[in-house]
Amino acid sequence: KAGVTQTPRYLIKTRGQQVTLSCSPISGHRSVSWYQQTPGQGLQFLFEYFSETQRNKGNFPGRFSGRQFSNSRSEMNVSTLELGDSALYLCASSSTTVQETQYFGPGTRLLVL
Amino acid sequence: KQEVTQIPAALSVPEGENLVLNCSFTDSAIYNLQWFRQDPGKGLTSLLLIQSSQREQTSGRLNASLDKSSGRSTLYIAASQPGDSATYLCAVKYNNDMRFGAGTRLTVKP
Repeated sequence: KAGVTQTPRYLIKTRGQQVTLSCSPISGHRSVSWYQQTPGQGLQFLFEYFSETQRNKGNFPGRFSGRQFSNSRSEMNVSTLELGDSALYLCASSSTTVQETQYFGPGTRLLVL
Repeated sequence: KQEVTQIPAALSVPEGENLVLNCSFTDSAIYNLQWFRQDPGKGLTSLLLIQSSQREQTSGRLNASLDKSSGRSTLYIAASQPGDSATYLCAVKYNNDMRFGAGTRLTVKP
């Protein structure tokens, strides 16, 4: 099986712009979670989608949003980018339940100038 | 507040040594605990998953234990190798969230 894929792998944006990141889960996985990783804050949970519904959301402002499509692929969007949004954005997929192993993609590295 | 702490933050050992990484969590109402390794600039690779009802899991040279009542987990690495050099993260799954420790940066010297 192919692993979790994320596109693009690298991205440079300027303050005030918006960005959309994409994640394709492992075939058959219906749960997709997004995380932000920064040197200062470490890994933080953004949100989780299951069967096109947002199941959980972390403590991030409304500028961060996401969605999941019927084929389980997911996108996250960040509007009005700030310098502090520079981070590695990781996506993870799991099969169905909360007790399943999460498999991570390689991440999208976003740099906001 | 659901906090996850990993000790030590960094560890350097000679090749062949056995070592233990520690993870503690404040809220014991967990679904599971997962250990990952992360190589520089890369995503996370799952090593072991322990369900809340389990006490330990083993995979090759790795053994992870879980003590929910004391809020602790350990990752034991036997006969360490230079290829084990990476950052090791523990992640605790709760009903609405997944909390990560800051990681232990392991260096295994040849």
